[in-house]
Amino acid sequence: EVQLVESGGGFVQPGGSLRLSCAASGFTLRTYWMHWVRQAPGKGLVWVSRINSDGSSRSYADSVKGRFTISRDNTKNTLYLQMNSLRAEDTAVYYCARDPDSSGWSYMDVWGKGTTVTVSS
Amino acid sequence: DIQVTQSPSSLSPSVGDRVTITCRSSQSISSYLNWYQQKPGKAPNLLIYAASSLQSGVPSRFSGSGSGTDFTLTISSLQPEDSATYYCQQSYSLPYTFGQGTKLEIK
Repeated sequence: EVQLVESGGGFVQPGGSLRLSCAASGFTLRTYWMHWVRQAPGKGLVWVSRINSDGSSRSYADSVKGRFTISRDNTKNTLYLQMNSLRAEDTAVYYCARDPDSSGWSYMDVWGKGTTVTVSS
Repeated sequence: DIQVTQSPSSLSPSVGDRVTITCRSSQSISSYLNWYQQKPGKAPNLLIYAASSLQSGVPSRFSGSGSGTDFTLTISSLQPEDSATYYCQQSYSLPYTFGQGTKLEIK
């Protein structure tokens, strides 16, 4: 079964750090681009970051640029999001999502269940 | 950034109704538009990609159309399990952006 499972969320004080992981199973991670998308409580979906299949190209939303780092270990079939200098507005459910980038079309065809990050003092 | 605006923000149709949700982008995005369905407490689920391509496993009552700046998601005959929030998303340029969502509550 094709599956993504996020972990690493939790409660952290403002200014703190967390590292999220996204473990892939049922498919080979190295053939796919990957995204992180977040959803604040009661709000809509917001794209956070993207990484290409070999990790050589990374992009970020302005709201997290310089604070978050996306990475991947294709040998471990795992995607990561290192989050530093966390703010209250980073509180959200964080989803990882797979992107086949098929024939130039980018879309998110498999999503994890999400991991919750709460930033509060 | 490309802004993506959905309408309506909510609707309350009945089972069997034909439902149309509209998405408009702030600039032309060709056919780089995807649609997702999200049920409460669940992850989003891809319905339509590249404006009109039905994702494998998605019922054929869902369809998408449009190009340029105006797009529609149509549910031909609404079923009870279609109660959810629907989002469009542009993948033409970074940062990718989502519409604000359309909450569909079935009467």
